[in-house]
Amino acid sequence: QKEVEQDPGPLSVPEGAIVSLNCTYSNSAFQYFMWYRQYSRKGPELLMYTYSSGNKEDGRFTAQVDKSSKYISLFIRDSQPSDSATYLCAMKGAGTASKLTFGTGTRLQVTL
Amino acid sequence: GAGVSQSPSNKVTEKGKDVELRCDPISGHTALYWYRQSLGQGLEFLIYFQGNSAPDKSGLPSDRFSAERTGGSVSTLTIQRTQQEDSAVYLCASRPLAGWSTDTQYFGPGTRLTVL
Repeated sequence: QKEVEQDPGPLSVPEGAIVSLNCTYSNSAFQYFMWYRQYSRKGPELLMYTYSSGNKEDGRFTAQVDKSSKYISLFIRDSQPSDSATYLCAMKGAGTASKLTFGTGTRLQVTL
Repeated sequence: GAGVSQSPSNKVTEKGKDVELRCDPISGHTALYWYRQSLGQGLEFLIYFQGNSAPDKSGLPSDRFSAERTGGSVSTLTIQRTQQEDSAVYLCASRPLAGWSTDTQYFGPGTRLTVL
């Protein structure tokens, strides 16, 4: 079993829809949780960063972490065609030298 | 400012040949990572450099893989005697040592390696 599980999709939604992307994990040592967005043929870019449990909002994006359930989510409101990309969850333990463990990524397609 | 750059962007090679992939991190970033991204497999950690410390090589899949970082800046990932299963996108990321964004990794565009 992988440390981080993520549904690969693809997920297709109409423009304006609310999108929910999720990851589950098994390592209770993970404390920092991130979402990266990766456009086709590009490197991943950091979208959201959260520490421990709770919610964090940034514009149309909301990240949620539930450490008790070992479950993290990314919500995208009013989705746009420009949101079409692969979304990777990533997480790490304490310490700046700790390695990131990534999910496999969910491919999202927002249609007009 | 300039981001992380990688070269070449694409590399096609024959099975058994050696390849070298280059990464230029963001200036001043002391930490550098190499990852491999295969279809449906997500990002697989390969190796991590931090300043002058010994690199963390725990992710290298075999002794055919090696990497070096000269002068604390440019890094080269070398794959010897390439195999078809080495075909993947190889991503480099760098991170600053200090500041609020110390846990943020900045990725390059990757090198797409195809082994025929």
